[in-house]
Amino acid sequence: AQSVTQLDSHVSVSEGTPVLLRCNYSSSYSPSLFWYVQHPNKGLQLLLKYTSAATLVKGINGFEAEFKKSETSFHLTKPSAHMSDAAEYFCVVSDRGNQGGKLIFGQGTELSVKP
Amino acid sequence: DAMVIQNPRYQVTQFGKPVTLSCSQTLNHNVMYWYQQKSSQAPKLLFHYYDKDFNNEADTPDNFQSRRPNTSFCFLDIRSPGLGDAAMYLCATWASGSPYNEQFFGPGTRLTVL
Repeated sequence: AQSVTQLDSHVSVSEGTPVLLRCNYSSSYSPSLFWYVQHPNKGLQLLLKYTSAATLVKGINGFEAEFKKSETSFHLTKPSAHMSDAAEYFCVVSDRGNQGGKLIFGQGTELSVKP
Repeated sequence: DAMVIQNPRYQVTQFGKPVTLSCSQTLNHNVMYWYQQKSSQAPKLLFHYYDKDFNNEADTPDNFQSRRPNTSFCFLDIRSPGLGDAAMYLCATWASGSPYNEQFFGPGTRLTVL
């Protein structure tokens, strides 16, 4: 069975400092992994996805994530936080090619950015 | 260049009064999903259409129904909204030929029940 655990429900950083949002996954098969971002009263926007081509995945807005199979982790990082990064972030896993393409969501991490 | 469009963005209804939310897509994806997202929670899948085949999640209440008249459109009908149905409703699409299960989300409809 698949599952995903986001280790922090809330992270607070200062503008200009690094961001680390932690995610661990469990999957019986080779997984697809995603990070989505959601700003208040908005839909979900895909930040990046793991496609097995490279373990270090670069996304939009300067975010990146590293797939570590040995640690079953897919942590999201950004070198320097911006005020506009304040949002809810969801780590998501799916069995690659599964029927119906169902996604399993983590509970989310709320990122706050202080001036 | 919106690819997944949801209307309306904000919907207010009265307790027990039926309401319909709509979703359209320009991606020509064959799979469409409806999620319910309550405040500070992750999205919860209600059901999805794989082409014309309807797939209901086991814990989706009977109060929620869906229609998909064609590839581009999908509707969520709430027959008798209760206060607990107030939430953001998200529509998403997926092309089943894609191996990576990347779903594209609409902006959502915020439903308020008075």
